[in-house]
This record gives sequence, structure tokens and C-alpha cells, in this order.
Amino acid sequence: GQQVMQIPQYQHVQEGEDFTTYCNSSTTLSNIQWYKQRPGGHPVFLIQLVKSGEVKKQKRLTFQFGEAKKNSSLHITATQTTDVGTYFCAGQNFNKFYFGSGTKLNVKP
Amino acid sequence: SAVISQKPSRDICQRGTSLTIQCQVDSQVTMMFWYRQQPGQSLTLIATANQGSEATYESGFVIDKFPISRPNLTFSTLTVSNMSPEDSSIYLCSVEERTAEAFFGQGTRLTVV
Repeated sequence: GQQVMQIPQYQHVQEGEDFTTYCNSSTTLSNIQWYKQRPGGHPVFLIQLVKSGEVKKQKRLTFQFGEAKKNSSLHITATQTTDVGTYFCAGQNFNKFYFGSGTKLNVKP
Repeated sequence: SAVISQKPSRDICQRGTSLTIQCQVDSQVTMMFWYRQQPGQSLTLIATANQGSEATYESGFVIDKFPISRPNLTFSTLTVSNMSPEDSSIYLCSVEERTAEAFFGQGTRLTVV
């Protein structure tokens, strides 16, 4: 069945350091989306990538979609304490989303 | 973006009972989904709620345990039946807009004792 793997599971960084989380799907995806979930909150949509090799930026966040549309990454430059939360990728195939296991980011001030 | 109202926000239930969770959207949406998120875990898709027909369940989830209704394009319910402590989790409804963005309700935090 469809699987989306995400690493690392946890990441602790000092404020100002960079952070990257990676997603890998067992099958080709029609698109991939990224979500952020704050502690006690619900997932909030960040961005969607559709095209092979696509790169999108949102301020300090850079999102990439692999050429084969099976992997993706989220990179945060110069983390801030407001970046704390769990980041999930979600691969979409046949109108269904398959969520990665999430990367929990902790930022120490 | 769609605004989703989900209730109850939390509940503590006795084992063997059932709880129905409601999801109301402020606009008509084609796709509605129900997810379960166990503490510290990722989201697992339970089923796709289809308007006017039976829900489509993912592997490991069955209609008898998680009956779903979708009477129209703005509303759905998920019932967790004959609950056991293993059903303690957060249940989230989600809708997909034309842009393929998914929006989530606030979630229902269920504790079964």
C-alpha cells in the first residue's frame, strides 16, 4: 500500500541554525503538501508542490519536489522559536492524502 | 479557504459506548475525509465520506466500527462505536478544496475510560 516515510523523527536545534526534513514515497505522487502542527493544534497547510523538480520558497522556508515525484524536502533557514511544531508531508494520490510520520522540531532560544 | 467546525472538541467516554463527531463546513465541498491521530503520531486516514453513498474505508477500518454519514456537501458525522481505551485518540475531519489544499477541523480529543 501507499507509504510516505519522513525523517528525522525529531530535531533539536539552536535558534538561528538551519533545519531540514525529508519525505520519501513508495510510489509516484500527483502532488505533495506540507503541513505544520503546533502542540495541541491541528495541521495547517503550508504549501503544495505539483511539478517534477519544483522548488518553492516562503520567506525562510524552501520546499522541493523531486524529479521522480517520489520525494520532497522542507528546509528552514535560521530557525526561530516560532518554528516549533511538527512538520508533516502529505503525498496525494487518487484524491487521498497519505501523511508522513512527521518531524518534531524544537528550537532552543 | 473553508472554515470547518468540528464538535465536540473533546470528550471522555465509558468503554462500550459510542460517540458521534460532527463536522460542518461553511461551503460546499466535494471531498471530506476523517483521520485519526494518536498521541505523538501522524495522521491516519480512516475513510473518505462520500455524499449520497457509503463511505470508502481504508485498510484496517470498517463501517461497523466507524459508521460515517454525509447527508449533504457541507456536513458529515463519524461515529466511534463500542469504544475501548485503544480508541482514545484525536479524530479530525478534513476537506479538500479545488486547489487540492486540505483544511482540517480543530479535532476531537477522545478519551475512553
